Amino acid sequence: AQSVTQLGSHVSVSEGALVLLRCNYSSSVPPYLFWYVQYPNQGLQLLLKYTSAATLVKGINGFEAEFKKSETSFHLTKPSAHMSDAAEYFCAVSSISGNTPLVFGKGTRLSVIA
Amino acid sequence: EPEVTQTPSHQVTQMGQEVILRCVPISNHLYFYWYRQILGQKVEFLVSFYNNEISEKSEIFDDQFSVERPDGSNFTLKIRSTKLEDSAMYFCASKEFPGQNYGYTFGSGTRLTVV
Repeated sequence: AQSVTQLGSHVSVSEGALVLLRCNYSSSVPPYLFWYVQYPNQGLQLLLKYTSAATLVKGINGFEAEFKKSETSFHLTKPSAHMSDAAEYFCAVSSISGNTPLVFGKGTRLSVIA
Repeated sequence: EPEVTQTPSHQVTQMGQEVILRCVPISNHLYFYWYRQILGQKVEFLVSFYNNEISEKSEIFDDQFSVERPDGSNFTLKIRSTKLEDSAMYFCASKEFPGQNYGYTFGSGTRLTVV
């Protein structure tokens, strides 16, 4: 079975500050890991994905995440927050092969303060 | 960039009524999914569909739910007799390659409100 745990349902940062959203995964098989963003009243947009190539993954809008197997983590970071980054962020896991569906975390709401 | 299109964007229905949520996946994709997100909760898997049959379904996907691909392009989710607890955002997703678990594309969702 696979699962993800997102630490912190709500994170608030000042504009220009570092963004760090935490995700830990549990998987009995090598995982693929994803971060999705959901802006208010919109759907899920893929930010980045880890698919067993480079452990440091760069995504859209300046976000990146690092896969750390020893820590079973896939934390999302951005050096400098913008007001437009305010949204809900979801970490998700799936297996590498087969057709297992994505398993999502509960999400972290990011607020950016001017 | 190719998109997954969902209609309607918002639907209000009375309890006990049937609803059909529609999705047009990306044309060369072969694997299709429905997820839902109850307000304030996490996104949950409902069902996956491949080669014109259900591949996997969750405990949520009971006899009140059904899916089909009636015309080779649309992918629909039907709820036969809606309940208040069916109120949620429903997301359709598609994937190009059955054997590779990346490259999901999600639609923008249908917000279903049962009153």
